[in-house]
Amino acid sequence: QLQLQESGPGLVKPSETLSLTCTVSGGSISSSNYYWAWVRQPPGKGLEWIGSVSHSGSTYYNPSLKSRVAISVDASKGQFSLKLNSVTAADTSIYYCASSNPRRGGLVDQWGQGTLVTVSA
Amino acid sequence: DIVMTQSPDSLAVSLGETATINCKSSQSVLYSSNNKDYLAWYQQKPGQPPKLLIYWASTRESGVPDRFSGSGSGTDFTLTISSLRAEDVAVYYCQQYYSPPHTFGQGTKLEIK
Repeated sequence: QLQLQESGPGLVKPSETLSLTCTVSGGSISSSNYYWAWVRQPPGKGLEWIGSVSHSGSTYYNPSLKSRVAISVDASKGQFSLKLNSVTAADTSIYYCASSNPRRGGLVDQWGQGTLVTVSA
Repeated sequence: DIVMTQSPDSLAVSLGETATINCKSSQSVLYSSNNKDYLAWYQQKPGQPPKLLIYWASTRESGVPDRFSGSGSGTDFTLTISSLRAEDVAVYYCQQYYSPPHTFGQGTKLEIK
């Protein structure tokens, strides 16, 4: 069973870069069976798909964030990461890393527990 | 972007009764080459990540009770929860994975009456 765990700073200053890492266990991060995704959720609000990266390194980003976001994979560490630059208070959210299954159309089917990132001076 | 709109925003249903949640997409999420609707339903309980319930609009994820069922095609979809149990209290989201960004509905909060 695939397991995902987010890690990174819980507090980021405005205008700085938010950086999170997701450690994958129970499966190979290089496998063609998975895409890797990030989803966020402002406290008490709904879900927003941030983007995903395939095993080949192809990326798909939400246009609303595209100019500020980067998702990448470090296969040697079994991790993938999210970088979001020029953050504001509106980026305060619970950030979930997730896996999606290309054989099921890219459906997100496994989630990490989430990590709260607060943007504040 | 495909806009997903759920209704109602919240509902209260008695134990043992049936809850119905609707989801409408701003364009069809039916992929003609395989005749599959790229529509999923998730359940999220407080303090937990979302849990996949239904995919391809009507296929139950492994381990999900058969009280949960999905229906619909094209742009209009329904999640039905029959024989409601206290443990079903949660927020339910639909999501399209037809085209990026894979947008979610705003969520429907289900409570016990």
